[in-house]
Amino acid sequence: DVKVTQSSRYLVKRTGEKVFLECVQDMDHENMFWYRQDPGLGLRLIYFSYDVKMKEKGDIPEGYSVSREKKERFSLILESASTNQTSMYLCASSFRGRGRGYGYTFGSGTRLTVV
Amino acid sequence: AQSVTQLDSHVSVSEGTPVLLRCNYSSSYSPSLFWYVQHPNKGLQLLLKYTSAATLVKGINGFEAEFKKSETSFHLTKPSAHMSDAAEYFCVVSVRGGGGSQGNLIFGKGTKLSVKP
Repeated sequence: DVKVTQSSRYLVKRTGEKVFLECVQDMDHENMFWYRQDPGLGLRLIYFSYDVKMKEKGDIPEGYSVSREKKERFSLILESASTNQTSMYLCASSFRGRGRGYGYTFGSGTRLTVV
Repeated sequence: AQSVTQLDSHVSVSEGTPVLLRCNYSSSYSPSLFWYVQHPNKGLQLLLKYTSAATLVKGINGFEAEFKKSETSFHLTKPSAHMSDAAEYFCVVSVRGGGGSQGNLIFGKGTKLSVKP
């Protein structure tokens, strides 16, 4: 069964900490995405990557950065966590050329609480 | 620019009755449209997709959606609700045009479906 695995299901961090959210996919997908999900706001795209070492900003990149050193792994970094970054974070991946949504696979999410 | 609006944040139905979740879209191009479902504490799962073939699209678990260009709508329906259908549903449009965001997905704000026994 193909999978997108997010390393933590629940995470609690303190304000000002540097936070790493990890996502690994085993489908050899070129595209990887990080979304943030908040009640009443749906999913909002933070960053995405179409290839190793490549990254592009989504709709709400402020306060976040990403790293893609290997094809299967896409990390979301909160340089200095703040309480307004408390949210559910979802990782997704897809094949290039299927960018129109055919094959998006989502992870189960990481619920981050910043205190 | 593309956008999608889900007209109801919450819908409640009784088991065995029909389900209607409403979605309107805005797109300068012929859109690709999707419905995703998210059960509690789970990731998102693709229910069905429209990509300019048949306007009536059948998905998993008995759901279907009809693309109506004249009404810019893509409503999700099911003839008879089951308790296991209780979840959050997202209407999604795929970004068209050039640039690095080609093919990215724009999500509606979601509709929570409750199913009463």
